[in-house]
Amino acid sequence: DGGITQSPKYLFRKEGQNVTLSCEQNLNHDAMYWYRQDPGQGLRLIYYSQIVNDFQKGDIAEGYSVSREKKESFPLTVTSAQKNPTAFYLCASSIFGAGNQPQHFGDGTRLSIL
Amino acid sequence: DQQVKQNSPSLSVQEGRISILNCDYTNSMFDYFLWYKKYPAEGPTFLISISSIKDKNEDGRFTVFLNKSAKHLSLHIVPSQPGDSAVYFCALHSQGGSEKLVFGKGTKLTVNP
Repeated sequence: DGGITQSPKYLFRKEGQNVTLSCEQNLNHDAMYWYRQDPGQGLRLIYYSQIVNDFQKGDIAEGYSVSREKKESFPLTVTSAQKNPTAFYLCASSIFGAGNQPQHFGDGTRLSIL
Repeated sequence: DQQVKQNSPSLSVQEGRISILNCDYTNSMFDYFLWYKKYPAEGPTFLISISSIKDKNEDGRFTVFLNKSAKHLSLHIVPSQPGDSAVYFCALHSQGGSEKLVFGKGTKLTVNP
C-alpha cells in the first residue's frame, strides 16, 4: 500500500543532543513537508522540499535541519539549538505543481525531552 | 498575525444533528481550501476541498461552503456520527508556485450518542 511512514513513533532527547526523525514515502510524490504541532495549536511548517536536493525554510526553521537526497526520503534533524523541541512532528507529501491535490500525512513522531 | 482563524476551539453536537465548523481568513490570494480530520496520535487525513471558483462542494455527509466576499469557509457534517469526533483543521493554499498550506488551529468536534 502507498503511504508515508514516520519513525520512530516516540523519541526522547537528552539536553544538547541532536536527534533525527525519519520520513519515507512510496507515493512517488515530488514535494515533502515537515510540520510541528503543539497542544491547542495548528500545524506550523518547519521545512519543505519540492524536488530532490532542494528545500526551503518554513515558518519555524530555526533549530532544525533537513536533507533531500532521495525522492522517497526527507529526514528532519532536531538540533541542540532548538530549545523547545517537545512537540508532535508530522511529515507530509504531495504531488508537486498540483495545488488542488491534498497533502498526505504520516502518523507522526512525538518528541520529548529527558 | 494569523492568516487563518478557527475561532471555536471546540464544538459539541448530538448524534444525527448537523455540525458546522468555521474558518475565516484574511488573505485574498488563497485559491484552494481544504479540510482535514485528525484523531489523537495520528496524522491528519484529507476530508474535502473546494476551489476558489466554486462556492459549494459536497461529498456524502460532508459539504464545504466558501464565501469569498466574507473570506469565510465552513464545513457542514450532516447527520453527525460519533465516529466524526476528531479535530478538524482548515488548510488554505496560496496562489503562486509554492505548494505550502496554511493551517488553522483546529476545532475539536465531539458528537454525543
